Amino acid sequence: GQQVMQIPQYQHVQEGEDFTTYCNSSTTLSNIQWYKQRPGGHPVFLIQLVKSGEVKKQKRLTFQFGEAKKNSSLHITATQTTDVGTYFCAGRNYGQNFVFGPGTRLSVLP
Amino acid sequence: DAGVTQSPTHLIKTRGQQVTLRCSPKSGHDTVSWYQQALGQGPQFIFQYYEEEERQRGNFPDRFSGHQYPNYSSELNVNALLLGDSALYLCASSSMAEGSYEQYFGPGTRLTVT
Repeated sequence: GQQVMQIPQYQHVQEGEDFTTYCNSSTTLSNIQWYKQRPGGHPVFLIQLVKSGEVKKQKRLTFQFGEAKKNSSLHITATQTTDVGTYFCAGRNYGQNFVFGPGTRLSVLP
Repeated sequence: DAGVTQSPTHLIKTRGQQVTLRCSPKSGHDTVSWYQQALGQGPQFIFQYYEEEERQRGNFPDRFSGHQYPNYSSELNVNALLLGDSALYLCASSSMAEGSYEQYFGPGTRLTVT
């Protein structure tokens, strides 16, 4: 079945540094979503990408969908302590359910 | 506008017992998906309900069953609980009618099986 991997598993950064997490699927995706989960919280929807090569920005966050629609990335510029949490990608193959990656846990040192 | 609500918040059960978890979707949403999230892992898809029918199912045994009511609320039932069923159970609602696939998660139910 479809598998979704994320790297790195953990990332520790100094406040103000940039952060990138990568998501790779074993199959071509129809769409991919990104979520943020704060410690003790629940996943919160950030964005959905559907087009090959698509790039979307939300303030300091930049999301990319690969040309082959099998990988994606989330880049945060100038991290802040409020960015702390686990970032999950969730990929969906046509007509199937979303499969979540294991997540990248981000810690930001002030 | 109420978001996704789940009850109860926490639950402690004994191995072999049965449990029912409840979810009310976000206003305007017609689809409910259930996920199991073990500590330190990503959510694992259990099943999805739309128009009171199970539309998709993940790799979970028949001990896991569900229901959706005409008002779109949903229940997750787990029979013959195992220690390994201890996890955070998340409900996510979306709108099949809108076709956007954006999922809004509830706060979850923390199930502990002893």
